[in-house]
Amino acid sequence: SQQGEEDPQALSIQEGENATMNCSYKTSINNLQWYRQNSGRGLVHLILIRSNEREKHSGRLRVTLDTSKKSSSLLITASRAADTASYFCATDDNDYKLSFGAGTTVTVRA
Amino acid sequence: NAGVTQTPKFQVLKTGQSMTLQCAQDMNHNSMYWYRQDPGMGLRLIYYSASEGTTDKGEVPNGYNVSRLNKREFSLRLESAAPSQTSVYFCASSYGTGLYSNQPQHFGDGTRLSIL
Repeated sequence: SQQGEEDPQALSIQEGENATMNCSYKTSINNLQWYRQNSGRGLVHLILIRSNEREKHSGRLRVTLDTSKKSSSLLITASRAADTASYFCATDDNDYKLSFGAGTTVTVRA
Repeated sequence: NAGVTQTPKFQVLKTGQSMTLQCAQDMNHNSMYWYRQDPGMGLRLIYYSASEGTTDKGEVPNGYNVSRLNKREFSLRLESAAPSQTSVYFCASSYGTGLYSNQPQHFGDGTRLSIL
């Protein structure tokens, strides 16, 4: 069952701009993770945020979590061409298995 | 520094043929997973192994079998391939024993499988 859903499906921005994508989920979670996938490659873990946390940072990445709205956002600041990729949120279900959304495809234009 | 290694990278099969996808990790991880990725659907869990010697069904196990050969290796077998199994298959691993969603999963680069 697919719990997380990313929005928008696709995003095109200019290099140097910020990119924001959102993840909404249906049932309560213990943890939420964000992953990046470059074309033709496997997923790479970016950030994990626990249900009792509201915000986490890692370099140019900022993740927020609003459990009352059942949503999370991933912000990439000062985007670079290398940020071109698909981004997935993953939420856990009742027995801690991860469910991945369909992803947001981000294109950073030079 | 290999991480998770999957073989083969590409494969074309005919309907009814069988094959085994191989996965090995060198990070001393306890849990391993097999996912399939189809366009517009995200990743779906096929089978997982929460520790050496155990395997369990995920969301879409029909048509597949798995073997946790040892702590490092986790293989996925298609006994009689069908066109609906055309997909990209990813193997992943994580450190904890059991399904702990508070740990990151490390992914291989996938096997692109086409069934004609």
